[in-house]
Amino acid sequence: DADVTQTPRNRITKTGKRIMLECSQTKGHDRMYWYRQDPGLGLRLIYYSFDVKDINKGEISDGYSVSRQAQAKFSLSLESAIPNQTALYFCATSESTGATYNEQFFGPGTRLTVL
Amino acid sequence: AQRVTQPEKLLSVFKGAPVELKCNYSYSGSPELFWYVQYSRQRLQLLLRHISRESIKGFTADLNKGETSFHLKKPFAQEEDSAMYYCALSVLGFQKLVFGTGTRLLVSP
Repeated sequence: DADVTQTPRNRITKTGKRIMLECSQTKGHDRMYWYRQDPGLGLRLIYYSFDVKDINKGEISDGYSVSRQAQAKFSLSLESAIPNQTALYFCATSESTGATYNEQFFGPGTRLTVL
Repeated sequence: AQRVTQPEKLLSVFKGAPVELKCNYSYSGSPELFWYVQYSRQRLQLLLRHISRESIKGFTADLNKGETSFHLKKPFAQEEDSAMYYCALSVLGFQKLVFGTGTRLLVSP
């Protein structure tokens, strides 16, 4: 089955450390997204990429950076982690066809704890 | 600016009771609205979209532009409906989603 995978699934780190979260997909989708989920705040978009050469900031990009290494891979980095970046992080993908909405398919999530 | 509001953090009902999860939106353009669901230990997945006007797992949602609402309804709740439900608004040529804060639905036997 074509899938969206995230590594690691859980990570505990310390303030100031650099962390990379990775997302891979075998769906052949052009578009990829990174969200964070916080209790009471829902999902908020961090970065999105519509193809390998296209990277865009979402609503909460400060403190994060991304790299689109290939169509299938989209990594999220925290250059210097801080405790309020403790959250559940989701990667998602979608096709890039047509004018109507293309469903986003989500990965299983990465639970990050910054001490 | 676009915004999605889900006023209830938790909705608790008994099996067989009607369910309505509320969603209101703010968007100056033509809205495209969706409901996503996250069951326990499963991934977030699309439940339904307003343009399809479909019923999925007994759930329906009607877009009311006058009230800027897209409430999710089911006449008879089942225990397996217990999950986290997110209302979402599509912007930027339909490829960027703005999510509400979510409502946890708990259906008790």
